[in-house]
Amino acid sequence: DQQVKQNSPSLSVQEGRISILNCDYTNSMFDYFLWYKKYPAEGPTFLISISSIKDKNEDGRFTVFLNKSAKHLSLHIVPSQPGDSAVYFCAAVSSNYKLTFGKGTLLTVNP
Amino acid sequence: GAVVSQHPSWVICKSGTSVKIECRSLDFQATTMFWYRQFPKQSLMLMATSNEGSKATYEQGVEKDKFLINHASLTLSTLTVTSAHPEDSSFYICSALEHRDQPQHFGDGTRLSIL
Repeated sequence: DQQVKQNSPSLSVQEGRISILNCDYTNSMFDYFLWYKKYPAEGPTFLISISSIKDKNEDGRFTVFLNKSAKHLSLHIVPSQPGDSAVYFCAAVSSNYKLTFGKGTLLTVNP
Repeated sequence: GAVVSQHPSWVICKSGTSVKIECRSLDFQATTMFWYRQFPKQSLMLMATSNEGSKATYEQGVEKDKFLINHASLTLSTLTVTSAHPEDSSFYICSALEHRDQPQHFGDGTRLSIL
């Protein structure tokens, strides 16, 4: 059973608009969440994180929102740029520092 | 930023061959390194957790005799796929953790193809 789910395999947005990537989880023991970005033929690159004691974390164009009661988090990118086109992975950390990943969402930002 | 180097990036070899993959943290000492495997259209799946100087901890369903992990120093961990078979063909990727309150940093992965 998948504990971290990214139900949208792909998302396409126009340059300058907002990109919203969603992630759901089932394990209430997860206490820290991360978003990674991955380009083809490269490893995932850390983007932004959020602790379970917060509901929002912002870093420049990237904001992550956490709704613990709904076991849902989202990554907002605004304004979206063509260079943001990549696969975005949501990951959850359990108490033993292990990461559980979602399947990823391919974001395409069209010029 | 923290850099993790993984080598080789791509391997093709015959069935029955053993393949070694190296993972190095280049500008930091990694207290813990992790090995993942990713099949097409699937998420990264943790295979094992490796701490320097101690035996690796394997996830359920991962054969420790098949996937040998050595973490000889704070900057190097190796994964050896022993007697590889076509079903072992996958994308293997490592990550390294400097401090436990920081994110894992990933290598670029190794594409392993067993003929």
